[in-house]
Amino acid sequence: SQTIHQWPATLVQPVGSPLSLECTVEGTSNPNLYWYRQAAGRGLQLLFYSVGIGQISSEVPQNLSASRPQDRQFILSSKKLLLSDSGFYLCAWRVGIGTDTQYFGPGTRLTVL
Amino acid sequence: AQSVTQPDIHITVSEGASLELRCNYSYGATPYLFWYVQSPGQGLQLLLKYFSGDTLVQGIKGFEAEFKRSQSSFNLRKPSVHWSDAAEYFCAVGRLGGGADGLTFGKGTHLIIQP
Repeated sequence: SQTIHQWPATLVQPVGSPLSLECTVEGTSNPNLYWYRQAAGRGLQLLFYSVGIGQISSEVPQNLSASRPQDRQFILSSKKLLLSDSGFYLCAWRVGIGTDTQYFGPGTRLTVL
Repeated sequence: AQSVTQPDIHITVSEGASLELRCNYSYGATPYLFWYVQSPGQGLQLLLKYFSGDTLVQGIKGFEAEFKRSQSSFNLRKPSVHWSDAAEYFCAVGRLGGGADGLTFGKGTHLIIQP
């Protein structure tokens, strides 16, 4: 069966510090991978998606970036965090043509102080 | 562009009572529709999905949803709620044909269960 992992689970970082969040998927090959952000009182906002190694599409301009160095690894990064980057970050994966079912990881709670 | 509206930010229901959470979507073609549930501090769990066929869809945990094309709605229902159903519920729409870009989510409905 497929599983998706995210780490760290929680993170508290000062403004201006760098960020690296990691997501890995097990039990599947060539998944589509997604990063979403959930800010307090708001829905889920798609940040990035990737259809393959090295292929990243950005949905929202911001100071965040994403990379996919391996088939089942997706990384969210920032060189300098802003207060507005605080939120709950969710990674998701999807496999299959003709369906859009996405499966979500447990999330990372990021607080920028 | 597709969009999803969940008109109710909060809903309070007594334990054992029936539940209906509303979802309206805007999309130019036949959509894929989903309901997810999120417990506090957790990821999202898929409750059910609609792709085609029978417009009444059964999901996990006793939930069901009905797709009504004429009303552009996909409301979630449960005949009798349990305290463990207290959570955030998200409706989402995807594109027929499986676009690589992600789902579009509503802003969620927070469900509170009264004893």
